[in-house]
Amino acid sequence: EAGVAQSPRYKIIEKRQSVAFWCNPISGHATLYWYQQILGQGPKLLIQFQNNGVVDDSQLPKDRFSAERLKGVDSTLKIQPAKLEDSAVYLCASSLAAAHGGYTFGSGTRLTVV
Amino acid sequence: AQSVSQHNHHVILSEAASLELGCNYSYGGTVNLFWYVQYPGQHLQLLLKYFSGDPLVKGIKGFEAEFIKSKFSFNLRKPSVQWSDTAEYFCAVNLYQGGKLIFGQGTELSVKP
Repeated sequence: EAGVAQSPRYKIIEKRQSVAFWCNPISGHATLYWYQQILGQGPKLLIQFQNNGVVDDSQLPKDRFSAERLKGVDSTLKIQPAKLEDSAVYLCASSLAAAHGGYTFGSGTRLTVV
Repeated sequence: AQSVSQHNHHVILSEAASLELGCNYSYGGTVNLFWYVQYPGQHLQLLLKYFSGDPLVKGIKGFEAEFIKSKFSFNLRKPSVQWSDTAEYFCAVNLYQGGKLIFGQGTELSVKP
């Protein structure tokens, strides 16, 4: 079974620039999550999709972050404009909504804002 | 708001030592509990999970965890660690299957050969 694919693996941008991350979940997984993991902390949920609808985006800084999941498959997370404090690893995960199998995480995108 | 607390930020052990990593959560209702491991340079991987039933859960690579409802705890244990267990360990909870995971801050485990 293919895992959760994310790209790019690394990105370095200057503050105030924009950046986008892409995620392709495991085939058939209806639920997709974006997490932000700042160095030394546990991952924090940014947004959760069920198919192509948003379930939870309460922790998403909507003035600069946006995400979409067109057609209920792959997803894009965008930051515009980036701030220094956005430096983190952005993790994508997917799950079967009602399964005992847990969640599968991608390798993440490490973003450095300078 | 629900939260997860891991007691130790960094644990250093020698090979063959026993391991116990603490995890407490704050939520009075039914929760699902998880331990994830992140090896250097790799993605988060599920070690074990608890949904219901026997509170002693066995996972991969010889790890186990015990759910103690009265203490809101889900501590991770391994009788004898190996150098290859060097990694960061995250405890997490969710309130329903498929719901968001709430993570602790992580515990970095370093095992000396």
